[in-house]
Amino acid sequence: DTAVSQTPKYLVTQMGNDKSIKCEQNLGHDTMYWYKQDSKKFLKIMFSYNNKELIINETVPNRFSPKSPDKAHLNLHINSLELGDSAVYFCASSQRSPGTETQYFGPGTRLLVL
Amino acid sequence: DQQVKQNSPSLSVQEGRISILNCDYTNSMFDYFLWYKKYPAEGPTFLISISSIKDKNEDGRFTVFLNKSAKHLSLHIVPSQPGDSAVYFCAASVEGAQKLVFGQGTRLTINP
Repeated sequence: DTAVSQTPKYLVTQMGNDKSIKCEQNLGHDTMYWYKQDSKKFLKIMFSYNNKELIINETVPNRFSPKSPDKAHLNLHINSLELGDSAVYFCASSQRSPGTETQYFGPGTRLLVL
Repeated sequence: DQQVKQNSPSLSVQEGRISILNCDYTNSMFDYFLWYKKYPAEGPTFLISISSIKDKNEDGRFTVFLNKSAKHLSLHIVPSQPGDSAVYFCAASVEGAQKLVFGQGTRLTINP
């Protein structure tokens, strides 16, 4: 039973297309995240949602729109895909608790924009 | 502005010996630190963490040391095993900020 799952695992698409990546967690956590790992392998936060409310938006282009229908799901929709969007996108979740920020990650979605 | 740095992109260690991975940070507000392990084509897996009120945390073969004055932490793996071969990421956070800041990773290879 996977704790944090993402679909699809691989996504190859043309420039200009719109695509979505889905994330689900069954850990009962109240906070979910999207991270991007670029070609230089840096993992950087994009968004954070707590109880379906947007908490963090790290200067991500507005072509990226996260949607959280409930606490267990955080989807990422990307409009007008560009070559530079090619990366690995990781979803994560955590339980907001003072003194700890342990986040648990999904397997990643490898996006290639041609 | 890289607030968390892992200056060694790779490290090679003999099986059975100790592996020491290092991490430096610049933001003195960080109060929680974590190590993640990542295999190819998988997501980062949580390994061990330490709060800034401690200077050492141990879990089996893994020990994390924190030196706040030097803004430095390290992960010790002993004894190293072939299955430990992976990329190790150091991460840091400020309580309540709800985001992790990652280092760029160190690829650890354990040689038989």
